[in-house]
Amino acid sequence: DIQLTQSPSFLSASVGDRVTISCRASQGISSYLAWYQQKPGKAPKLLIYAASTLQTGVPSRFSGSGSGTEFTLTISSLQPEDFATYYCQQMNRYPLTFGPGTKVDI
Amino acid sequence: EVQLLESGGGLVQPGGSLRLSCAASGFTFSIYAMTWVRQAPEKGLEWVSAISVSGGPTYHADSVKGRFIISRDDSKNMLYLQMNSLGVEDTAVYFCAKDLRGYDAFDMWGQGTKVTVSS
Repeated sequence: DIQLTQSPSFLSASVGDRVTISCRASQGISSYLAWYQQKPGKAPKLLIYAASTLQTGVPSRFSGSGSGTEFTLTISSLQPEDFATYYCQQMNRYPLTFGPGTKVDI
Repeated sequence: EVQLLESGGGLVQPGGSLRLSCAASGFTFSIYAMTWVRQAPEKGLEWVSAISVSGGPTYHADSVKGRFIISRDDSKNMLYLQMNSLGVEDTAVYFCAKDLRGYDAFDMWGQGTKVTVSS
């Protein structure tokens, strides 16, 4: 199975900050990676797929990059509504797997 | 309105069974692969099962293989998850999700249904 690790696991930030979250795969997954945002008590929301493609309706302050085993989610200017937990997910092969999550808090 | 609505969760004893349902509306259900993802209390997301468009393959996580069965009824726009031999480790909120066409990423999610396995 492909394992995903995320760093950091917890991030304290302020409104306006540039935030970067990393996701590392245990083996190469090309660009088959997605990023999700989840707020407490809510379903996850797809932000980015294919490593760098912004999902329709997602603000352009979110961006993704990387390929192979190293990936990054960047929020260029953190907004109050961005405080949440972020998960990466590999879609290269079954079983599909998620990273453990990064909580972005004030 | 595009929507996924799960039902069927509840309290079940260890060793018991439960069938989850997911009603889809607002899109052409039959042309999309569908997925179940779960989240244990205060834990991260875990992919559970996926089903291709009708006639295609199904996939299950090792943790549920042989116990859970995913199925779909395109005539009713319904997705199902039959869960057997439940253990306390299956306690979670279960989400159904729609695959983004061409990618195994999930662009639409239900609100989730809670399953508690306890004696």
